[in-house]
Amino acid sequence: GENVEQHPSTLSVQEGDSAVIKCTYSDSASNYFPWYKQELGKRPQLIIDIRSNVGEKKDQRIAVTLNKTAKHFSLHITETQPEDSAVYFCAASMGRGNKLVFGAGTILRVKS
Amino acid sequence: NAGVTQTPKFQVLKTGQSMTLQCAQDMNHNSMYWYRQDPGMGLRLIYYSASEGTTDKGEVPNGYNVSRLNKREFSLRLESAAPSQTSVYFCASDIRANTGELFFGEGSRLTVL
Repeated sequence: GENVEQHPSTLSVQEGDSAVIKCTYSDSASNYFPWYKQELGKRPQLIIDIRSNVGEKKDQRIAVTLNKTAKHFSLHITETQPEDSAVYFCAASMGRGNKLVFGAGTILRVKS
Repeated sequence: NAGVTQTPKFQVLKTGQSMTLQCAQDMNHNSMYWYRQDPGMGLRLIYYSASEGTTDKGEVPNGYNVSRLNKREFSLRLESAAPSQTSVYFCASDIRANTGELFFGEGSRLTVL
């Protein structure tokens, strides 16, 4: 079936440490992989995305890596800050209509 | 520029009642979506409309209907609400199906008693 698995479900780090969230997807034809951040009580917002023709993309403290052969991609946040505390969702485009299928989410807590 | 606007923000229904969630976007986007968000289950697609005049089922369409009224508006209807439909509902849009950023509304919290 069409699914995206995301790990871990919760992650606690000390301020200044790095955080890594991993996702695997089922459809080898998937070609678009965004990451969304959702703060408590707010709407999800795009923080970074990557397409299948690229292996890595960086934006300041955030980076995403993609391994198409293994069908997994990861979000890396360096020098974490308290404002990074939120729920993070990965997603992959798949199936008819190139729909986005989301992972279950990771609750990231950055302790100061 | 309001982005994606959905109403109502909160609603309490009794089992068997019906209601419609309204969504409108002012970004001239072609594609619109309805998701539900439940704890530990991420965002699950209910229905989507790739372009004006078309609608398609997503992952969890049972118990819902949709209408793409025009390019701006996409409504979600619950004909006979059930407690299992208690959730937070998000409307979203993008310029063309999953080619870039998905813009979400603020969400509608629905409780079915």
